[in-house]
Amino acid sequence: NAGVTQTPKFRILKIGQSMTLQCAQDMNHNYMYWYRQDPGMGLKLIYYSVGAGITDKGEVPNGYNVSRSTTEDFPLRLELAAPSQTSVYFCASSLQGPFYGYTFGSGTRLTVV
Amino acid sequence: AQKITQTQPGMFVQEKEAVTLDCTYDTSDQSYGLFWYKQPSSGEMIFLIYQGSYDEQNATEGRYSLNFQKARKSANLVISASQLGDSAMYFCAMRNNNDMRFGAGTRLTVKP
Repeated sequence: NAGVTQTPKFRILKIGQSMTLQCAQDMNHNYMYWYRQDPGMGLKLIYYSVGAGITDKGEVPNGYNVSRSTTEDFPLRLELAAPSQTSVYFCASSLQGPFYGYTFGSGTRLTVV
Repeated sequence: AQKITQTQPGMFVQEKEAVTLDCTYDTSDQSYGLFWYKQPSSGEMIFLIYQGSYDEQNATEGRYSLNFQKARKSANLVISASQLGDSAMYFCAMRNNNDMRFGAGTRLTVKP
């Protein structure tokens, strides 16, 4: 049982480059999320999805895009990378409802130089 | 909108003693879940304990307990008999029907 798998684990981007962070889950969870964590800070919600074909913005969506074509996959796209996007990115999934916790991926550490 | 507040950026505790990490929350929802996560220096998010908004008993999981005071909107984490391996960042989080929001975290250091 793999849970939530994020790739890559580490990446260095140059300013202006683009990339996609991959996230896949094998638990048949409808809900999936992307968070970013800046050094010494809590997690901020970027985007989330309540099912295939449905996505919505979180607290800090600017500079990012997502898609959800299948239940399993929820990629995060960074266009025109900026130093402010240097962060650790976590993907998570869950069942629907306020009484269910998240299963987190192991994170992607991204540095934009 | 949900808001989670952790007012202690850093805490120290002596090994084998108990420590309380504070968390207050603000929400207009009646149904919500409260969660605590541990993040060691390796970076992964480790689930510790959960409390539902309708639960009347405080949650306990081994050495962790959650002191839930609904009227005060607080959900403090109590760690008993601290161990050196408890040194980490601790995050309080609240989930409504859609998503989970996190506090800024408390860095706990356990002294030998």
